[in-house]
Amino acid sequence: EDQVTQSPEALRLQEGESSSLNCSYTVSGLRGLFWYRQDPGKGPEFLFTLYSAGEEKEKERLKATLTKKESFLHITAPKPEDSATYLCAVGTNFGNEKLTFGTGTRLTIIP
Amino acid sequence: EAQVTQNPRYLITVTGKKLTVTCSQNMNHEYMSWYRQDPGLGLRQIYYSMNVEVTDKGDVPEGYKVSRKEKRNFPLILESPSPNQTSLYFCASRRDRVYNEQFFGPGTRLTVL
Repeated sequence: EDQVTQSPEALRLQEGESSSLNCSYTVSGLRGLFWYRQDPGKGPEFLFTLYSAGEEKEKERLKATLTKKESFLHITAPKPEDSATYLCAVGTNFGNEKLTFGTGTRLTIIP
Repeated sequence: EAQVTQNPRYLITVTGKKLTVTCSQNMNHEYMSWYRQDPGLGLRQIYYSMNVEVTDKGDVPEGYKVSRKEKRNFPLILESPSPNQTSLYFCASRRDRVYNEQFFGPGTRLTVL
């Protein structure tokens, strides 16, 4: 069974304090790993797709990386508007073209 | 503006009273799906559709029905809602079955008393 585990569950940072969120996965045949941002009361918003180990993607203060067992979302010099829940999901090969989601990391950036 | 819309956004109902949550996308996407989001469990797929008249079960399909008669619409039907279906529901769409960007609707918060 596909599994996605995110850590930590919650993270509080001072504005400007860089850190990383972790997403570890166990799947049979990874087709893609996805990062989403979710603000309270809203639907998830797509951030990145990573397809193979060693791949990296960047967007503003966010950088996502992928290894064979995990992905990291690095946040550099965060601002209060980066506060949100960050979700990781994996897509796998066979049959149902579904995404398996982790439970997310709730990030709070303190001014 | 490219978007996925859901209605209603909030719904309180009673056990056994049939309800439908509508979902519509304006991006001509082939692939649509429904998720429920519960604390500590994350997003779990209920049903998905790869095109018109093609639907299949996700991880938690019990108690739900769907239909895909038009490409843009993918309603979620609860024939006899129960309290354990109290949850936050999201509809999502993406261009096709290839793993590309998936767009989510704003969510429907359902309470079944």
